[in-house]
Amino acid sequence: TAGITQAPTSQILAAGRSMTLRCTQDMRHNAMYWYRQDLGLGLRLIHYSNTAGTTGKGEVPDGYSVSRANTDDFPLTLASAVPSQTSVYFCASSDTSTGELFFGEGSRLTVL
Amino acid sequence: GQNIDQPTEMTATEGAIVQINCTYQTSGFNGLFWYQQHAGEAPTFLSYNVLDGLEEKGRFSSFLSRSKGYSYLLLKELQMKDSASYLCAVRDSNYQLIWGAGTKLIIKP
Repeated sequence: TAGITQAPTSQILAAGRSMTLRCTQDMRHNAMYWYRQDLGLGLRLIHYSNTAGTTGKGEVPDGYSVSRANTDDFPLTLASAVPSQTSVYFCASSDTSTGELFFGEGSRLTVL
Repeated sequence: GQNIDQPTEMTATEGAIVQINCTYQTSGFNGLFWYQQHAGEAPTFLSYNVLDGLEEKGRFSSFLSRSKGYSYLLLKELQMKDSASYLCAVRDSNYQLIWGAGTKLIIKP
């Protein structure tokens, strides 16, 4: 079972460039999330989507945008990357009956 | 503000028992989750508590006291593969998850 697929696995990006992290799920979950994980900090929510066609801002949304055109895909875009966006990014979806989150394998982004 | 506290790092011996504590202060409570995360990997679900008491699942148990804003994860018969970070997360009144920074558990032979 694929679950949640993220791409790319890792990327080095020059500051000022744009980048889209892709996320696809095959579990038909309505809710999807993007988190960033930095050393010493908990997972921080960037953006979320409760259902296709809707999105919301999380704790740290600045510099990021998302779209949810359909149930399966939830891409995260950095319009103009800055070094502080160097992080590991996790996409997740949740089972609405239990609230359990299922995570992708993560995308390690380095902005130089 | 909302806050989840758990120890940064713990060390235990293979075959022993370890308890990882988590205290929380959140706006509302709609359940507490524990996740395991091996280095370089994604978090994976371990347990969910919404009522007070102990939930047992094999070698792992999780306890919740809502009145004290407190939970713990108990790992028995520790194995080397249990070396990982353990993340505590609370779902608040808006059904958003608030995450602790995680506890890195080091298992020594």
